[in-house]
Amino acid sequence: QVQLVQSGAEVKKPGASVKVSCKVSGYTLTELSMHWVRQAPGKGLEWMGGFDPEDGETIYAQKFQGRVTMTEDTSTDTAYMELSSLRSEDTAVYYCATLWNKGNWGQGTLVTVSS
Amino acid sequence: AIRMTQSPSSFSASTGDRVTITCRASQGISSYLAWYQQKPGKAPKLLIYAASTLQSGVPSRFSGSGSGTDFTLTISCLQSEDFATYYCQQYYSYPLAFGQGTRLEIK
Repeated sequence: QVQLVQSGAEVKKPGASVKVSCKVSGYTLTELSMHWVRQAPGKGLEWMGGFDPEDGETIYAQKFQGRVTMTEDTSTDTAYMELSSLRSEDTAVYYCATLWNKGNWGQGTLVTVSS
Repeated sequence: AIRMTQSPSSFSASTGDRVTITCRASQGISSYLAWYQQKPGKAPKLLIYAASTLQSGVPSRFSGSGSGTDFTLTISCLQSEDFATYYCQQYYSYPLAFGQGTRLEIK
């Protein structure tokens, strides 16, 4: 049984960066393809990026290119998503998820961007 | 990029009803489609993948069909716990994309 446990809520000022972690248990990170999805308050789900096992690369949504970095520490089975140059529109719940492949989601991390 | 469009955006139904939600892709995606259920304040839950394969543990009243560009999620006999928001998602090509969601409310 895969479990994804994310880091806690963050409050950031505009222009700052945030790094959210996602600890995997039940599987090793190398057995999974991890994606990151966000959801602004009252809005739908938005895919930010994730690992494509066919290419062996992390692919980012064009909207976040240059601002987002997704990394993995296989020694601790922890995935990370760092978003920089934060603005108020980045206020959202951020999820790590395996999506259609095993269907596992983290509990979500609320990131609030406010001056 | 492939766009996913769900219909309706919201609707009301009663316990025991049979309901169908539609998802349309802007181009063919074969059967690379998943459906998720989300309840307020919770992470989404995978219901169906490969357009029609029920995820383990999901009740059999949920079913999915379709291929190419047109897909449906059907709930055969609505239960109280089914009132939620439903999303489709294509994984045929990158960037991955979700539909805008369908909110199912109690009539």
